[in-house]
Amino acid sequence: EVQLLESGGGLVQPGGSLRLSCAGSGFTFSTYAMSWVRQAPGKGLEWVSAISGSSGSTYYADSVKGRFTISRDNSKNTLYLQMNSLRAEDTAVYYCATRLRLGDLSLYSLFEYWGQGTLVTVSS
Amino acid sequence: QSVLTQPPSASGTPGQRVTISCSGSSSNIGSNSVNWYQQLPGTAPKLLIKSNNQRPPGVPDRFSGSKSGTSASLAISGLQSEDEADYYCAAWDGSLNGVVFGGGTKLTAL
Repeated sequence: EVQLLESGGGLVQPGGSLRLSCAGSGFTFSTYAMSWVRQAPGKGLEWVSAISGSSGSTYYADSVKGRFTISRDNSKNTLYLQMNSLRAEDTAVYYCATRLRLGDLSLYSLFEYWGQGTLVTVSS
Repeated sequence: QSVLTQPPSASGTPGQRVTISCSGSSSNIGSNSVNWYQQLPGTAPKLLIKSNNQRPPGVPDRFSGSKSGTSASLAISGLQSEDEADYYCAAWDGSLNGVVFGGGTKLTAL
């Protein structure tokens, strides 16, 4: 059974940093791309970032480019999101997600499996 | 303002057919496949339709998807009360080099 378990959320002051983790199990973690998707309170889904299985390719939404860094440790079956220079508008539930398919860039919008999410609150 | 445009709300009576539209452009829907997600209150999103019109295992056949040009649609035939949820479309955007979501549609069963 595929499982994704996020951790690392919490309360942080504006300008601060936080690192989210997502532990994957039940599949060959290193083979598949992984993504982060967030949802601000009462708002819709927003894609944040994605990384290929080998870490050779990374992608970011304009809203986080230069502030967030996605990475993965395939030896630990874990995905990360390093978030720096946090702003109030980064407050959201952050989900990690993946699909167990290989293919072209269009597949990055396919999220077959989701974690339960971790809440990040940016406030003073 | 989302790159993909969805109506903020939709409604229907039980048993009715309801459609939700998703409008984009040549750089996203026009050149890439569309996926649809259902989010029940307080839960993580769930994949509902993949690759424009394919239902993953376990998704009832009353849900269907289609795509034409730069628009896509999700149809729910025989609306049920448990279908009350938020629905999102998503696609890769080649110009933005990233994934774009619609703003979401809140479906209500009257």
